[in-house]
Amino acid sequence: ETGVTQTPRHLVMGMTNKKSLKCEQHLGHNAMYWYKQSAKKPLELMFVYNFKEQTENNSVPSRFSPECPNSSHLFLHLHTLQPEDSALYLCASSQGIQGMAEQFFGPGTRLTVL
Amino acid sequence: AQSVTQPDIHITVSEGASLELRCNYSYGATPYLFWYVQSPGQGLQLLLKYFSGDTLVQGIKGFEAEFKRSQSSFNLRKPSVHWSDAAEYFCAVGPVSGGYNKLIFGAGTRLAVHP
Repeated sequence: ETGVTQTPRHLVMGMTNKKSLKCEQHLGHNAMYWYKQSAKKPLELMFVYNFKEQTENNSVPSRFSPECPNSSHLFLHLHTLQPEDSALYLCASSQGIQGMAEQFFGPGTRLTVL
Repeated sequence: AQSVTQPDIHITVSEGASLELRCNYSYGATPYLFWYVQSPGQGLQLLLKYFSGDTLVQGIKGFEAEFKRSQSSFNLRKPSVHWSDAAEYFCAVGPVSGGYNKLIFGAGTRLAVHP
């Protein structure tokens, strides 16, 4: 595997389900990000982790729970979601979190909440 | 507050025609500037970036962008569009040196290419 991978690519879940999204980066980076991409809205940063420590929580509802066990893996645990949470969830990684650090994106998980 | 505006939601061009996608930003200082492309079913790929120096930046796939401080713009251009360029394009700004990597994205411009 190369770059940033995300699983699953597609997920359909009910509002009472619990599921998790997984992201893995194979680039040796130390920072990882979760973004939400909704239709007709700009990409929204959700969480940032640097060396496994959370450095940003962009006022994300608690029904989204991130986990970063090491610099290569990032999870997004989902529970009691709402239909408006349906979106493409993108993971990214970078070497460092300084402003010029290029972010590399995964292909995303298309989430549908019924 | 910082913001990025991409005035064109959809653009359609003919294959072989030139292309310019507009991006305007609002920021307290000159930010780092990026253009990303997203093909259907894919994540975002960096086309080019501007940090300082020469205001005309060359990127991958034949794209270039010009930073104009006076207009707070960072427009993306390509002299001859190929059908494979059909995708969605995002302009983004990041903080100047010392700030951490929190990108602010525009809403995107969807490019269609006619044969």
